[in-house]
Amino acid sequence: KQEVTQIPAALSVPEGENLVLNCSFTDSAIYNLQWFRQDPGKGLTSLLLIQSSQREQTSGRLNASLDKSSGRSTLYIAASQPGDSATYLCAVSGTGTASKLTFGTGTRLQVTL
Amino acid sequence: KAGVTQTPRYLIKTRGQQVTLSCSPISGHRSVSWYQQTPGQGLQFLFEYFSETQRNKGNFPGRFSGRQFSNSRSEMNVSTLELGDSALYLCASSLAGLEQFFGPGTRLTVL
Repeated sequence: KQEVTQIPAALSVPEGENLVLNCSFTDSAIYNLQWFRQDPGKGLTSLLLIQSSQREQTSGRLNASLDKSSGRSTLYIAASQPGDSATYLCAVSGTGTASKLTFGTGTRLQVTL
Repeated sequence: KAGVTQTPRYLIKTRGQQVTLSCSPISGHRSVSWYQQTPGQGLQFLFEYFSETQRNKGNFPGRFSGRQFSNSRSEMNVSTLELGDSALYLCASSLAGLEQFFGPGTRLTVL
C-alpha cells in the first residue's frame, strides 16, 4: 500500500526566503506525482505535475524534482511571498491506477511580512 | 475555459438521511474522481468514473456510490448518513488520468 509523507508538517518563514518542502513515498512504481496548494476551506490548485519519466518541472518561482528510485520529491519555492501562505500537498498515482491519487498530509506554510 | 464546478457548495443533513452531490468536469475531460477530506484522515480516494464506468474504487462502505452521465457530469450519493461522513467532498477531472484539476468542493455537515 502506497504511503506518502510530507515533512515538515508546518513551516513559518519571513518574506523573501527560499524554501524547500519534502515529500516521500514508499512504492516507487508511480505513474506521476503532482503538487497542489490548498487555501483554507477551498479546493486544491494544481501547481506542478511530474510524470514518472521526468526528473523535474518548473513553473515561475516553483520547481519540483522527482527521484523515483529513492521515493522522494521536493518542491522549491523561490523568494517566498505572503500570498504563498497555504497548505501544500503532494500526491502520487500508481502505474495501474493513474487517476487514483494518494495524498500526503501536507505542509502548512506561513510566509510572514 | 471553465474549471471544475461542484454543487451545492454547502449542505447540512441529519443522521440517516441521504445526500447527492454533483460535479461538472472541465469540458473535454472524461475522467471524474471523488475524494473525501477530513481533518483526521486527510484526503482519501472514493472512486473514479471514466466514460460512464467506474474504473477505480477506494476503501469506503457501500453507502457511498456514484455515477457518471454521457456528458461526463458525475454525481456522488451517500445513503444513511453518519456523523463521520461530515467532510469536504472534492471532485477532480482529468484527461485520461493525467493532471488532475479539482473543484471547490462541497462541505457536508451531518448533525
